[in-house]
Amino acid sequence: DGGITQSPKYLFRKEGQNVTLSCEQNLNHDAMYWYRQDPGQGLRLIYYSQIVNDFQKGDIAEGYSVSREKKESFPLTVTSAQKNPTAFYLCASFGVNTEAFFGQGTRLTVV
Amino acid sequence: AQTVTQSQPEMSVQEAETVTLSCTYDTSESDYYLFWYKQPPSRQMILVIRQEAYKQQNATENRFSVNFQKAAKSFSLKISDSQLGDAAMYFCAYRLPSYSGAGSYQLTFGKGTKLSVIP
Repeated sequence: DGGITQSPKYLFRKEGQNVTLSCEQNLNHDAMYWYRQDPGQGLRLIYYSQIVNDFQKGDIAEGYSVSREKKESFPLTVTSAQKNPTAFYLCASFGVNTEAFFGQGTRLTVV
Repeated sequence: AQTVTQSQPEMSVQEAETVTLSCTYDTSESDYYLFWYKQPPSRQMILVIRQEAYKQQNATENRFSVNFQKAAKSFSLKISDSQLGDAAMYFCAYRLPSYSGAGSYQLTFGKGTKLSVIP
């Protein structure tokens, strides 16, 4: 079945540590996006990529980095520069003129 | 820049009754897409309904329907015969068509409306 998969579901980060969230899709979509969701908030755009080897900053890119080496994969690294990383992270992919398809999300907690 | 506004942070409805969630948006474009997404406690984002701006007919999906008023830039969601499983956060979202070029895939979200269903 086609879909988008995020892993892990839960992730714990120590202070000063970098962590990477995985996002994989087999929908043959060109565009992939990362969103952050805080309690009681909407979704805020972190980074997006509309083609392999190219990506753009969203509204809250500071402290995050991404890569897009393959069409199917768009990993997000939360660096130590991100001072408040505890949040729920959603990855999405888009087809041409379709709705966004979302992964199940990763809950990141600083310990 | 496009903005999406959901003015009702929380709503409640009695089971089997009808509720309408409001959404307004701001855009200078004439062609675009609008969506309603549901986020239950599992936090999985689920598409409820989509509307193409060039279509005058309001979209419907079973118990869910929209009232799309293009001139007023309004896109409300009506849920009929509400069920306990409808309890969730509901997000209104906007995007441009793919031919619009850079950033056209970007989905702009409202802040959401939390819907409670009372048994």
